Amino acid sequence: RKEVEQDPGPFNVPEGATVAFNCTYSNSASQSFFWYRQDCRKEPKLLMSVYSSGNEDGRFTAQLNRASQYISLLIRDSKLSDSATYLCVVKRDYGQNFVFGPGTRLSVLP
Amino acid sequence: GAVVSQHPSWVICKSGTSVKIECRSLDFQATTMFWYRQFPKQSLMLMATSNEGSKATYEQGVEKDKFLINHASLTLSTLTVTSAHPEDSSFYICSARGPVGLAGYEQYFGPGTRLTVT
Repeated sequence: RKEVEQDPGPFNVPEGATVAFNCTYSNSASQSFFWYRQDCRKEPKLLMSVYSSGNEDGRFTAQLNRASQYISLLIRDSKLSDSATYLCVVKRDYGQNFVFGPGTRLSVLP
Repeated sequence: GAVVSQHPSWVICKSGTSVKIECRSLDFQATTMFWYRQFPKQSLMLMATSNEGSKATYEQGVEKDKFLINHASLTLSTLTVTSAHPEDSSFYICSARGPVGLAGYEQYFGPGTRLTVT
């Protein structure tokens, strides 16, 4: 089993739709959690960190459930520019490398 | 914010030759740099962790004699793909760990190097 797993995708949604991404991780020692966005042929870029209390940044909402080892990302009112691959990333503790999920590709259609 | 550069951004080489990729932290000192590889439609896979002034730590399955890593200064790490073969064609991305920023986040990615071996 992979350490980080995500919805296989791809997701094709119309503009304005709400879309949710799911991620699970197997290592209970994981301490930090993130969502990254990767555009085609580009490096990953941090979208947002994920906190236990849940956090929101504009149209993006991230949730963490440590008991279930589950992370989610919700995008509301999706835009064409949201089309990308969304990567769930976990880090075990300070200084350790990131473990990337396989990513879920999103295409927002006009 | 912290900036990491990579050079070259893309390279095409013949099978059997060696290719060197540079990763630089431009405005901060990076005590640790990470090298990742990404094949088409797959996620990033960590190849090795490089600490300044010491030998790199390679992930299982990554040949250290084939992928030579040098981290001679706090702002530069290099990855040399020796005797490259077509199966080494991939997107190589480095990241650098610098000053602590947001809670738990302190790793900055370079723009990547696309290697094609013919």
